[in-house]
Amino acid sequence: DTAVSQTPKYLVTQMGNDKSIKCEQNLGHDTMYWYKQDSKKFLKIMFSYNNKELIINETVPNRFSPKSPDKAHLNLHINSLELGDSAVYFCASSLNLFSRNTEAFFGQGTRLTVV
Amino acid sequence: KNQVEQSPQSLIILEGKNCTLQCNYTVSPFSNLRWYKQDTGRGPVSLTIMTFSENTKSNGRYTATLDADTKQSSLHITASQLSDSASYICVVVTGGGNKLTFGTGTQLKVEL
Repeated sequence: DTAVSQTPKYLVTQMGNDKSIKCEQNLGHDTMYWYKQDSKKFLKIMFSYNNKELIINETVPNRFSPKSPDKAHLNLHINSLELGDSAVYFCASSLNLFSRNTEAFFGQGTRLTVV
Repeated sequence: KNQVEQSPQSLIILEGKNCTLQCNYTVSPFSNLRWYKQDTGRGPVSLTIMTFSENTKSNGRYTATLDADTKQSSLHITASQLSDSASYICVVVTGGGNKLTFGTGTQLKVEL
C-alpha cells in the first residue's frame, strides 16, 4: 500500500497548456505539502495545507493553484504552463506541522516536462 | 547564499568505507534538523530528526550529530554499501514547524 501516491509519474506537455497533478495519502495525516525540485536537485516548499486550510504559500506564481477537497487529497493545478515549470514536483504529508518528531512522508514525484 | 549549506557537493567512496557529510545552517529560530536520503527517481525518505537538546542520534549505519551552538550537523555513514548511493539532504525546521529550509544536498556514490 503506497502511503503517499501521486499521479501521473511523468507528464510531458506543451507551453500554454493547463495541467493537474493529483496527490492522495492514506496515512490519516492532517497536513499535506507540495514541493518543487529543480534541475539542481534543490527542493523548495510551494504550499502547505493543514486540515484542508492553506497554511504556507511561498512565492509561487498565481498560475499554480492547490486544491484540497478533503484531508487525504491535495491536488496541484497549473495554468498556462511555461518552460521554467519543468521540474519534479513532490507531494508530502505529515501528521501535523513539522514539530518535534513529526515525520514527513513523500510521494514518488511527478516529473513535469514542458516543451 | 543558501541558509543551509552542505558539503561536499558530491562524494565517491569505495564499498565498506566510512564517510561524513556536513551541514551548516544560519536559519533561525531553530526547531529541529532532519536528514533525508533521496534515491534517484524517488521521494526523500527521513533518516533522522534532531532537536535542540540532542547531540547524537543513530539509525542503523547512519549517525547524525548536531552542535546547535555552532549550527553544524553531520551525517556519518559506516561500512558503506552500494545501496547508500543517493542524495543526502539536510533540512532545518524553524519557528513553529511550518517553515522548512532545504540544503542543496550531497550526492554520494558508493563503488565496488
